[in-house]
Formats: sequence, structure tokens, C-alpha cells
Amino acid sequence: AQTVTQSQPEMSVQEAETVTLSCTYDTSENNYYLFWYKQPPSRQMILVIRQEAYKQQNATENRFSVNFQKAAKSFSLKISDSQLGDTAMYFCAFRIQGAQKLVFGQGTRLTINP
Amino acid sequence: ETGVTQSPTHLIKTRGQQVTLRCSSQSGHNTVSWYQQALGQGPQFIFQYYREEENGRGNFPPRFSGLQFPNYSSELNVNALELDDSALYLCASSGGGLAGNYEQYFGPGTRLTVT
Repeated sequence: AQTVTQSQPEMSVQEAETVTLSCTYDTSENNYYLFWYKQPPSRQMILVIRQEAYKQQNATENRFSVNFQKAAKSFSLKISDSQLGDTAMYFCAFRIQGAQKLVFGQGTRLTINP
Repeated sequence: ETGVTQSPTHLIKTRGQQVTLRCSSQSGHNTVSWYQQALGQGPQFIFQYYREEENGRGNFPPRFSGLQFPNYSSELNVNALELDDSALYLCASSGGGLAGNYEQYFGPGTRLTVT
């Protein structure tokens, strides 16, 4: 069975700082995808960034980047120049290639303080 | 392009009752997945529908059932509601059918409270 673990229930940083959210996962599969989703108080789950396991290069999307360590089964999210609008729950998720379901972690509540 | 929509936004039901939640998929998407998100937890996969048939199911009892219509919209039905069914129910749509390698786009969810 696949599992996703986020070890930081809550984090808080000042605006403009850089913050890193941790995620580890467990699987015996070789082909899969990893995701970070953001869920603001509006509840809508929004895709932040995606990483294909077969790609060695870490994905980046503007201020968001990941550190993907396949051997360690680690997938952390770095947010640079954090903004007040980044305040939200962040979920790490995993999906086997060709499978239907996303497996989510427990989430990290991130607060950006002015 | 219209995003994923869900109705109703909030719902309060009594234990033992039945409930139907609705989801309209994003334009061009033919696959709908349902997730249950208990308070303070990550979403849990309930099932997925493709071409009006259930295609994959998580660890949920048979009293959780669904439908998909020819226009790809979907319903989630829960019978004999229990207190533990109180949660946010999320619908996600994707294109590409059974290939499974397409992004899932989520709706805003339906908050169900069972008293």
C-alpha cells in the first residue's frame, strides 16, 4: 500500500521569507507522480506543482520548487518570497502511473504573517 | 472554460437518512473522482467514474454509491448516514479516461454534517 507522510502539522513564517514543507512517501512502484496541493479557507484544492518520478530534474513553478529525492522517497516543497496569499493547508499527494486515485498526506497548515 | 462545480455547498442530515451530492465536471473532462475529507485530515479516495461506470474504489462500504451521466456529471449517494460520515466531500474531474495520467481538478466541495 502507498502512504504519504507530512511530519509538520503547522508552520508559520514572516512574509517574504522562504519556507520548506516536508513530505515522505512509501511505495514499491517505480513509475508514479507526486503533487503538492494548496487548500485555502475557501476549501478549493488547487494544484501547486507536479513531479514525474522518472524525471531527475526538480520541478519549479515561479516561487514554488520541489526537492525530489527518489531513493530517499522524499518530496519537499520550497516556497520562496512567501506572500500572505500563500496561507493555506498544503497537501502532498501521490499517484501511481495509470492508477485512478490520489493518496494524500495529512497536510501542513502554513501561515504567512505580515 | 467552466470549472468543477458541486452542490449543495452545505448540508445537514440526521443519522440514518440518505443524501445525494452532485458534481459537474470541467468542460471536456470525462472522468470524475470523489474524495472524503474529514476535519483536519487529507482527502480519502472513495471511487472514480468513467463512461458511466465505476472504475476503482477505495476502502468505503457499499452504502457509498455513485452515478455518472452522459454529460459526465456525477452524483455521490450515501445511505444510512452515520455520524462519522460528517466531512467535506470533494469531486475532481480529469480528461484522458482510463489512462490516469491527467491532472485532477477539484471542485469547492460539499460540507456534510450528520447529527
